[in-house]
Amino acid sequence: DAKTTQPPSMDCAEGRAANLPCNHSTISGNEYVYWYRQIHSQGPQYIIHGLKNNETNEMASLIITEDRKSSTLILPHATLRDTAVYYCIVRVGSGNTGKLIFGQGTTLQVKP
Amino acid sequence: ETGVTQTPRHLVMGMTNKKSLKCEQHLGHNAMYWYKQSAKKPLELMFVYSLEERVENNSVPSRFSPECPNSSHLFLHLHTLQPEDSALYLCASLANLGGNSPLHFGNGTRLTVT
Repeated sequence: DAKTTQPPSMDCAEGRAANLPCNHSTISGNEYVYWYRQIHSQGPQYIIHGLKNNETNEMASLIITEDRKSSTLILPHATLRDTAVYYCIVRVGSGNTGKLIFGQGTTLQVKP
Repeated sequence: ETGVTQTPRHLVMGMTNKKSLKCEQHLGHNAMYWYKQSAKKPLELMFVYSLEERVENNSVPSRFSPECPNSSHLFLHLHTLQPEDSALYLCASLANLGGNSPLHFGNGTRLTVT
């Protein structure tokens, strides 16, 4: 089973920041938090991942709380093309098969 | 372009047919994965291969038969499927097991079993 909890859906106005929350209260010390998104009929697209420090790349920022029990993905200026299902995934620790276990994700609707 | 190419993009097959799905990765990765995504359900892991060796089989029925002839290619052979096997089948690759690099996914094969 997925180790994360996300709201099923969110709306965001175009041009505004989209803040997507994720709870992972049972995360272990060596487990990373990964974010992917899936646009209809395409494969999941990698966005960002982190262990305990905040991370930023050209797509998004990832804020992880100090206790690592929750995180927030931030899309700084959402566009209509950011409408997708966003998955927060805790990666099973090292020494495993590298698999990702997906939950239901959050459907983000960016509105004009 | 994700670096992971899946063919065909769409496939319709009868329950008595035999078909194969193909996945090719151009990223120099050593691990490859098959996932299944049914309507309204999360992605489900089917198989994991590392260096052409199957390292995980997630209780998948024998009518799905994977093959990994080399680290760049992965196949899923299908036979005697059921209508409930209709789904999006996704392939992914990973540089190496045990690290923290991300999986890279293809855009899937949309399979319809009639």
